[in-house]
Amino acid sequence: AQTVTQSQPEMSVQEAETVTLSCTYDTSESDYYLFWYKQPPSRQMILVIRQEAYKQQNATENRFSVNFQKAAKSFSLKISDSQLGDAAMYFCAYRSADDYKLSFGAGTTVTVRA
Amino acid sequence: GAGVSQSPSNKVTEKGKDVELRCDPISGHTALYWYRQRLGQGLEFLIYFQGNSAPDKSGLPSDRFSAERTGESVSTLTIQRTQQEDSAVYLCASSLYWGQPQHFGDGTRLSIL
Repeated sequence: AQTVTQSQPEMSVQEAETVTLSCTYDTSESDYYLFWYKQPPSRQMILVIRQEAYKQQNATENRFSVNFQKAAKSFSLKISDSQLGDAAMYFCAYRSADDYKLSFGAGTTVTVRA
Repeated sequence: GAGVSQSPSNKVTEKGKDVELRCDPISGHTALYWYRQRLGQGLEFLIYFQGNSAPDKSGLPSDRFSAERTGESVSTLTIQRTQQEDSAVYLCASSLYWGQPQHFGDGTRLSIL
């Protein structure tokens, strides 16, 4: 079974500043996908960004970018120019390339200070 | 609607009662997933449906949990003889087919008194 670890239960960031969320995972597979999901108080899980393990280039979606270190099994999320609407719980998730199940970390709560 | 719809949004029931949770996937999505999210934790996989294939029930925590789906339409998750440890948010997701991005509903918050 894959294990996804998010070591930061809570992070706080000043509006317009940058915050980085950490995620590590454990797997013996070489082909897989990594995701960051955002869960606001509405509870809906919103896909923020996705990374294919076979791609060396780090994924970027507007103000969101990742630092994918395959050898270190690390997948951090950077939120630049933080906005009040970014406040939410963020989950890192893993999926094997030949499976459909997502394995989630415990989440990091991000608060944005005005 | 365009998204995954779940009902009820909130459910409070007494220990020992049966509950039924409903999920309407996005039209055309062949794959459907149920997850459980306990307070302050990540999501745990419960069950997966793909078209008319036999479902993957490997994540169901006990035989009190069951789920059904007719074809590629609505799914229901049933919990019999509820226990306090069943209190959680139950999230449903659907995808066009397995391996495609999963789209989540808003979940059902289940509280067992």
